[in-house]
Amino acid sequence: DAKTTQPPSMDCAEGRAANLPCNHSTISGNEYVYWYRQIHSQGPQYIIHGLKNNETNEMASLIITEDRKSSTLILPHATLRDTAVYYCIVRATLDTGNQFYFGTGTSLTVIP
Amino acid sequence: DGGITQSPKYLFRKEGQNVTLSCEQNLNHDAMYWYRQDPGQGLRLIYYSQIVNDFQKGDIAEGYSVSREKKESFPLTVTSAQKNPTAFYLCASSIWSGHNEQFFGPGTRLTVL
Repeated sequence: DAKTTQPPSMDCAEGRAANLPCNHSTISGNEYVYWYRQIHSQGPQYIIHGLKNNETNEMASLIITEDRKSSTLILPHATLRDTAVYYCIVRATLDTGNQFYFGTGTSLTVIP
Repeated sequence: DGGITQSPKYLFRKEGQNVTLSCEQNLNHDAMYWYRQDPGQGLRLIYYSQIVNDFQKGDIAEGYSVSREKKESFPLTVTSAQKNPTAFYLCASSIWSGHNEQFFGPGTRLTVL
């Protein structure tokens, strides 16, 4: 699986958009980009995933560059409850043998 | 409500004792996983199971054992051979092992004294 690089920490003002970057320069054509988040001392929560096109759901938007070497998770109006560690993962579906690697992620702090 | 349960939330054991962590899911998922998380670190895969009566080692299986006798249950035993067992243990499941939306339980924090 391709590896990802994320900044270790970020701050965001409450009510503003939080833009979390992720580099995945060695991503393969069949690998999706997944985002999870983990609020302190809880299990990670799935947020969104995408392959090539930008995706949006009720939680966030995912912007993937045309060359797919990087992506950005956007929380449009950050709230204090969005303070968490955000993990960017790339993995192919139908890939039953390989593991799902959670790195150290980005610790997002939403400031009142 | 469908979901994954782990019990207990906090567990204390004396060094040298084996301890079994419970994980149950009622989502009818085929695949289940155990991860370990140390402070300030990401998750590391201990074991995973794609189907009943089958399981594979992850990155850090040494000192751990699992069983998958029922679809709903995937207990993890931390044996005395595990050198640093104190950690946060997370169980997850997915519809099948190639499906990447994993649903996580609340975790069990194990402290070995």
